[in-house]
Amino acid sequence: GENVEQHPSTLSVQEGDSAVIKCTYSDSASNYFPWYKQELGKGPQLIIDIRSNVGEKKDQRIAVTLNKTAKHFSLHITETQPEDSAVYFCAASRPGSARQLTFGSGTQLTVLP
Amino acid sequence: EAQVTQNPRYLITVTGKKLTVTCSQNMNHEYMSWYRQDPGLGLRQIYYSMNVEVTDKGDVPEGYKVSRKEKRNFPLILESPSPNQTSLYFCASSLGRGQGLEQYFGPGTRLTVT
Repeated sequence: GENVEQHPSTLSVQEGDSAVIKCTYSDSASNYFPWYKQELGKGPQLIIDIRSNVGEKKDQRIAVTLNKTAKHFSLHITETQPEDSAVYFCAASRPGSARQLTFGSGTQLTVLP
Repeated sequence: EAQVTQNPRYLITVTGKKLTVTCSQNMNHEYMSWYRQDPGLGLRQIYYSMNVEVTDKGDVPEGYKVSRKEKRNFPLILESPSPNQTSLYFCASSLGRGQGLEQYFGPGTRLTVT
């Protein structure tokens, strides 16, 4: 089955700096890659996603890039703010899979004021 | 307000004492699932349901049961809890089983089994 590896497990950045979180996947048939943000005491929430027919997608300060050949995708957060501090999960999905998503192990992002 | 609710939010129990964690969604979603979250392991799917009376195993189903008698409810049952089931549990729902549909997560249930 699909395996998703996520790095780093923890990341600290100064407010205003950029943060990058990377994921690799094993199943070349996977074609949908969402990112979820989990704030303290809450459930994960979708923040951005990308499909395999697109190389990059942006939404204000966040962007996701996908390299299908290398089977990796990344989350980029620019101009980080304290409210960006959270756990971020990447995930992958293949067509026809009833299980929908395989998640990475998560990255604890801390934005230092 | 569209939401997924879970109860209880926190539970401390002893080995072998049967328990049920309830999950309910008010969005008329067909697809529901349960995950457990453990440090360094991310979110792992326990069971999922594609509709009423249709359930199937996820990646870590051992020691758990589920039922889907109504579309809105998807309880997680631990018949004989053990300490290795101490974890943070999330229920999630989505419109259907189709790819690319956002999963909406509940607030989580922190379970401790002593």
